[in-house]
Amino acid sequence: SQQGEEDPQALSIQEGENATMNCSYKTSINNLQWYRQNSGRGLVHLILIRSNEREKHSGRLRVTLDTSKKSSSLLITASRAADTASYFCATDEEGNTPLVFGKGTRLSVIA
Amino acid sequence: GAGVSQSPSNKVTEKGKDVELRCDPISGHTALYWYRQSLGQGLEFLIYFQGNSAPDKSGLPSDRFSAERTGGSVSTLTIQRTQQEDSAVYLCASSPYSPEAFFGQGTRLTVV
Repeated sequence: SQQGEEDPQALSIQEGENATMNCSYKTSINNLQWYRQNSGRGLVHLILIRSNEREKHSGRLRVTLDTSKKSSSLLITASRAADTASYFCATDEEGNTPLVFGKGTRLSVIA
Repeated sequence: GAGVSQSPSNKVTEKGKDVELRCDPISGHTALYWYRQSLGQGLEFLIYFQGNSAPDKSGLPSDRFSAERTGGSVSTLTIQRTQQEDSAVYLCASSPYSPEAFFGQGTRLTVV
């Protein structure tokens, strides 16, 4: 099953621009995370935001969470060609529940 | 002390054969996940092990799929009587007692 829906499905920007990706989900969550995937293999954790948090920063990443709208956004500032990858949101619910991922946004940063 | 290890990295099998995919999680991680990813698609949840609790098998697509986790460590995902639609990358992840998951590099399964 997939809980999150990212949009856009694909995004192409110039190096130096900011990239914004959005994630919507359906149920009440405990945490929301963003992951990055290069070349269709293993995912790498980027940032976690808890349900009682509204915004979090990590380097060039900024994540917001709006639990009333069941949505989150990931902003990558001053993008670089090396940021080219697929980005996924993942949620977990209260209790012993698995991580459920969205379908991802494919980001292309053109040098 | 490395990360999550999956083997084999690539597997080509004939339709109808059984396959076993292996995952070695990070030592001490209590949670282990299996996901399937078709080309250009998102991650489809398959099964989740957490400590000594009964596994959450709600994502397994058919009774041809099964998974075990022995001694709370290594896990094997078995697909019986493989079909062409089983072709995908199978990803394993492990997690300590926190939500962050650490992924292996996956096994690319091709059923011909």
